[in-house]
Amino acid sequence: QLQLQESGPGLVKPSQTLSLSCIVSGGSISSHSDYWTWIRQPAGKGLEWIGRVHTSGSANYNPSLKSRVTISVDTSKNQFFLKLNSVTAADTAVYYCARGRAYSGDYFDYWGQGLLVTVSS
Amino acid sequence: DNQMTQSPSSLSASVGDRVTISCRASQSIGKYLNWYQQKPGKAPKLLIYAASSLQSGVPSRFTGSGSGTDFTLTINSLQPEDFATYYCQQSDDPPYTFGQGTNLEIK
Repeated sequence: QLQLQESGPGLVKPSQTLSLSCIVSGGSISSHSDYWTWIRQPAGKGLEWIGRVHTSGSANYNPSLKSRVTISVDTSKNQFFLKLNSVTAADTAVYYCARGRAYSGDYFDYWGQGLLVTVSS
Repeated sequence: DNQMTQSPSSLSASVGDRVTISCRASQSIGKYLNWYQQKPGKAPKLLIYAASSLQSGVPSRFTGSGSGTDFTLTINSLQPEDFATYYCQQSDDPPYTFGQGTNLEIK
């Protein structure tokens, strides 16, 4: 059974960089049929797709965040990562990592439990 | 970006009812439409992918239909555990976008 688990600081100061990790267990992050994805959800609001990375290292980002976000993968550790620069209070949200099926319409079938990140001084 | 609009935003129903949630895309997405269920404090759960394919382990009372710009999620014979928020999501072209959600409440 595939499992994903987010980790990282729960509090980040304004203007700093938010850095999260997602460790994948029960399967390989090196699968060519999968994208590894970050999604966020502000409290009481809807879901926002942040971006995705393929095991090849190729990444796609939401244009609304593109200038500030980097998603990368470390296949040796079966982990992928999110970096979001210059954060503001508007970046406060629950951050989820998820698996997208690349050749089947990129739906998200496995999710982490979510990590609340608060941006505050 | 392809805007996804769900209706209604909220819905009250009783156990045993049949409910329908609609999702409309601002541009055609073929059948690249997925549905998720989310309960408070939990990650979303995939119900339906590719507009009408039932995810493994999801009860058959959940059905999806549609193509192009108009899609529907139907829940037959509502069960107590079905009261939650439902989201549609297009996976035709990044950036992937979600509907604003439909909150299904107990009447």
